Amino acid sequence: SQTIHQWPATLVQPVGSPLSLECTVEGTSNPNLYWYRQAAGRGLQLLFYSVGIGQISSEVPQNLSASRPQDRQFILSSKKLLLSDSGFYLCAWRLTGGTQYFGPGTRLTVL
Amino acid sequence: GIQVEQSPPDLILQEGANSTLRCNFSDSVNNLQWFHQNPWGQLINLFYIPSGTKQNGRLSATTVATERYSLLYISSSQTTDSGVYFCAVEAGSGGSNYKLTFGKGTLLTVNP
Repeated sequence: SQTIHQWPATLVQPVGSPLSLECTVEGTSNPNLYWYRQAAGRGLQLLFYSVGIGQISSEVPQNLSASRPQDRQFILSSKKLLLSDSGFYLCAWRLTGGTQYFGPGTRLTVL
Repeated sequence: GIQVEQSPPDLILQEGANSTLRCNFSDSVNNLQWFHQNPWGQLINLFYIPSGTKQNGRLSATTVATERYSLLYISSSQTTDSGVYFCAVEAGSGGSNYKLTFGKGTLLTVNP
């Protein structure tokens, strides 16, 4: 069966520090991968998605970036965090046309 | 792009009550899913239902694609049903665009 992992579960970082969040998927090949952010309140904002290794589509211009170095690995990064980057970050995967599944999420607090 | 509207935005129930959540969308869809986000933040897939009716225990969903809406029914609600329910769609026109558009959700609170 398929499994999606995210780490860390929680993170507290100072303003201006770098960020690296990792997401890996097991049990499937060539998934579409997604990063979402959920700020205070409940809306889900799509940040990036990838349909293949090295292919990244950005939905929102900001100081975040994403990379997909391997088929089932998706990384969210920042060189310098802002206060506004605080939130709940969710990774998700699905096969084209199929059901989407979410990881457990990372709660990021930028102080 | 496609618009997704969910109603009601908030719903408070007593344990044992039934409820209906609605999702309206503005264009044809290839994919429609219902998710439940529990109080700990985990998003759980409830239904993949671009058309038709499905049931899973106390939950059922119906999508009428021609009329561009979907309904999620919760019967005999329990406190563990509390959380936010999201509807998400993949626009159908022009083929797959790989991404889901989410509604703003319905916050359900079930009181004991």
